[in-house]
Amino acid sequence: DAGVIQSPRHEVTEMGQEVTLRCKPISGHNSLFWYRQTMMRGLELLIYFNNNVPIDDSGMPEDRFSAKMPNASFSTLKIQPSEPRDSAVYFCASTLAGVVDTQYFGPGTRLTVL
Amino acid sequence: AQTVTQSQPEMSVQEAETVTLSCTYDTSESDYYLFWYKQPPSRQMILVIRQEAYKQQNATENRFSVNFQKAAKSFSLKISDSQLGDAAMYFCAYRSVGGSEKLVFGKGTKLTVNP
Repeated sequence: DAGVIQSPRHEVTEMGQEVTLRCKPISGHNSLFWYRQTMMRGLELLIYFNNNVPIDDSGMPEDRFSAKMPNASFSTLKIQPSEPRDSAVYFCASTLAGVVDTQYFGPGTRLTVL
Repeated sequence: AQTVTQSQPEMSVQEAETVTLSCTYDTSESDYYLFWYKQPPSRQMILVIRQEAYKQQNATENRFSVNFQKAAKSFSLKISDSQLGDAAMYFCAYRSVGGSEKLVFGKGTKLTVNP
């Protein structure tokens, strides 16, 4: 079975540009998570969805960040406008809540904002 | 809020030897999950082992085992017969049961395996 799929794997953009990161969770999983990894702050949750509904977005840094999950097999994380401090690795993870409870991670997207 | 502490930023071990990575956590909850994830240079986060807090028996997965001390809020990872492929960052993580599903991670321990 395919694991969590993220695209793009690498993104380089200039400050002020819009960035969209994409994630396809493991088929059948009902919870999806967006994490950010930086040297300073480590790994931290940005937002997670259960059955396509946002449950906890307390980690979303500010209004420049938004996330959507229009259906069970697709989610996006958008940054508009991007800033150099947004440079990080962004991970998507999924799980089958209440059954598996282990989160499986995608390969991550390395974002560089110049 | 829960916190996870990994007090060893770096560790090294000789190939075929045993190494133990430390993790402590702080919580007021009685039921939760604990995990160890491995992150090699490819940056892929790979689950190594998980432990349910209600289980007294320590989890094991082949060469990997944990020492779970609930009262002390300690969750160490032991790697036996270390292999070059074990070299990676190792992250300890906490997850509530019944509350938020989010993982709370420690800062990680970088493990070097010397041939």
